[in-house]
Formats: sequence, structure tokens, C-alpha cells
Amino acid sequence: GAGVSQSPSNKVTEKGKDVELRCDPISGHTALYWYRQSLGQGLEFLIYFQGNSAPDKSGLPSDRFSAERTGGSVSTLTIQRTQQEDSAVYLCASSPEGNYGYTFGSGTRLTVV
Amino acid sequence: DAKTTQPPSMDCAEGRAANLPCNHSTISGNEYVYWYRQIHSQGPQYIIHGLKNNESNEMASLIITEDRKSSTLILPHATLRDTAVYYCRSGGTSYGKLTFGQGTILTVHP
Repeated sequence: GAGVSQSPSNKVTEKGKDVELRCDPISGHTALYWYRQSLGQGLEFLIYFQGNSAPDKSGLPSDRFSAERTGGSVSTLTIQRTQQEDSAVYLCASSPEGNYGYTFGSGTRLTVV
Repeated sequence: DAKTTQPPSMDCAEGRAANLPCNHSTISGNEYVYWYRQIHSQGPQYIIHGLKNNESNEMASLIITEDRKSSTLILPHATLRDTAVYYCRSGGTSYGKLTFGQGTILTVHP
């Protein structure tokens, strides 16, 4: 596709359930990022993938959060045992290696009730 | 990434130039200045970046001071659709995690 695609666009889940959020980066982009944005807050870095290198997981808030990137393309962010404080918009971005032109997706709005 | 400081909010009249300042006094010599904006409910959108020289594209102009400790993003003829949060950040051109501050909420009014 022409841009970064995220699905679902909206997700409502019950506290304690697991959720999976998907990101399809722009074809050929080797770097992929996950961020989250709580209501009225700035962007919070979660995790970053670059090619075959080990991902930078330094932003993951707890061990309930994990992410993988299969085949250097699609990425899935998994949140286990969701809590109400996990409610936020989860944004994915990709970029060509060594390029500044990061492109963000439209995000997944997660609501934990 | 060097720390950046931006005013929390600004207003601008439609059709006027919007001048958005950013302070990045700890920027290092090989770090660029980048600007993004985020329109409500959308992902951030890249606008422009620069190192030393002033830059310009179809969206905006970027003025960087000679000492590189601050910069200004200029929207020459602001429209209502330019109402957004504008983020300034500094960093290298190689890959790496992006860090964003709180940004400036620009409100363009009729």
C-alpha cells in the first residue's frame, strides 16, 4: 500500500483480556516503530525494529507488552491482561534505513473497559 | 536526541503567517532539526527538516539560527486545516528511536 496501515482502527476490550494490534509498514521500509499516545498527552516510544537487529524494547512499560516483526515486514503489538491505563492510541511508523522520512499510520484506538 | 522546548499553544488568524518557535540549545553538530504535525485523531505527519541552512518546501519554511540553538517553522498563509499539534525534535539522520516533546497546539481561527 501507499502508506502505513494499522488494524483495527478501534478496539474495545474488557479488562484482563489480551489484544493484538497490527501494523503493515510501507514496502521496503526496514525500520518500524511503535508509539502510544494517551488522551491529551505526547507520543510515548514503545519499541523499535531495524532490519535483522535485535529490537529496542526500552520503551515497553511492562512485561505485559510484547511485539514481533515477522519477515521484516508486518508487526504485531500484543498486550496481555489489559488494564484501563492501557487505553490509548497506538501508533506505528516506518522509515527507510538511514532516512528521516518516517511515515506514521493512523493508529489503533484501544479502549479498555 | 537533544531536548527541545516549544510554547504549549499559539493562535493565528487565517491567511496570516504562523511562526512556530523551538529551542534546541543542546543540539550537537551533526543533529538535524525536524518538524512534524499531528492533526486530531491522525498520526504525525513529517513537514520539514534542516541542519544549518534555511529550508523550504510546499508545506512550510524552516529558519535555523546561526548558532543552531533555535529554529522557527513558518506556515506562510495559515488555513483552518493547519490547526494541529506541531512537534519539533532534533536528531541524526540514521535510524533510531524518535523522541517527541509536548509540541505546540496551533489554532488557526477565521
